Amino acid sequence: GAVVSQHPSWVICKSGTSVKIECRSLDFQATTMFWYRQFPKQSLMLMATSYEGSKATYEQGVEKDKFLINHASLTLSTLTVTSAHPEDSSFYICSARDSGGAWDTQYFGPGTRLTVL
Amino acid sequence: SQQGEEDPQALSIQEGENATMNCSYKTSINNLQWYRQNSGRGLVHLILIRSNEREKHSGRLRVTLDTSKKSSSLLITASRAADTASYFCATDASGSARQLTFGSGTQLTVLP
Repeated sequence: GAVVSQHPSWVICKSGTSVKIECRSLDFQATTMFWYRQFPKQSLMLMATSYEGSKATYEQGVEKDKFLINHASLTLSTLTVTSAHPEDSSFYICSARDSGGAWDTQYFGPGTRLTVL
Repeated sequence: SQQGEEDPQALSIQEGENATMNCSYKTSINNLQWYRQNSGRGLVHLILIRSNEREKHSGRLRVTLDTSKKSSSLLITASRAADTASYFCATDASGSARQLTFGSGTQLTVLP
């Protein structure tokens, strides 16, 4: 089946630094990718939808200047958490829609755990 | 925004028993999907049911969908300790991006 990877799988950083998380579709092309955030014992909340070659769309309440998304190729989207603070500590999960596959199928990455000290 | 509500929030059963989880949603959907998540891990896709389907089976899983009531249920039969996980429903509403909106989840514990 289709595989989506995320890198890194976990990261610890100091408050005020920026962290970049990569989401890659390994064996398919993805014009659309999604970024979710999950706090402990809570559900996934959609943060933004990433489109290859154009600007991402952000959900209400998500600061686009704080969570920078770049989807520069058909297999890679990156999420950069700028000036991270402890409240940004969370589990970040991406998913990708196979451009050449069923329109209703998304493949999820394994997630990245961010801890901001 | 969170669309789906799931109940129960937590469910504890003995191995061999059946587990039923329910999901309600608010808007019209194209399909509804169920996912499983082990603690601290990514999501595993279990099953997808389209809006024109009423019931679907996959192994020990049975999913029903009632679009008139905007609800779905996931039944896991003959549960095993390895089924212990969080289960989420996710709805794919109208819109070209095919964004998924996740329910609040049910934490299932299967006791050996």
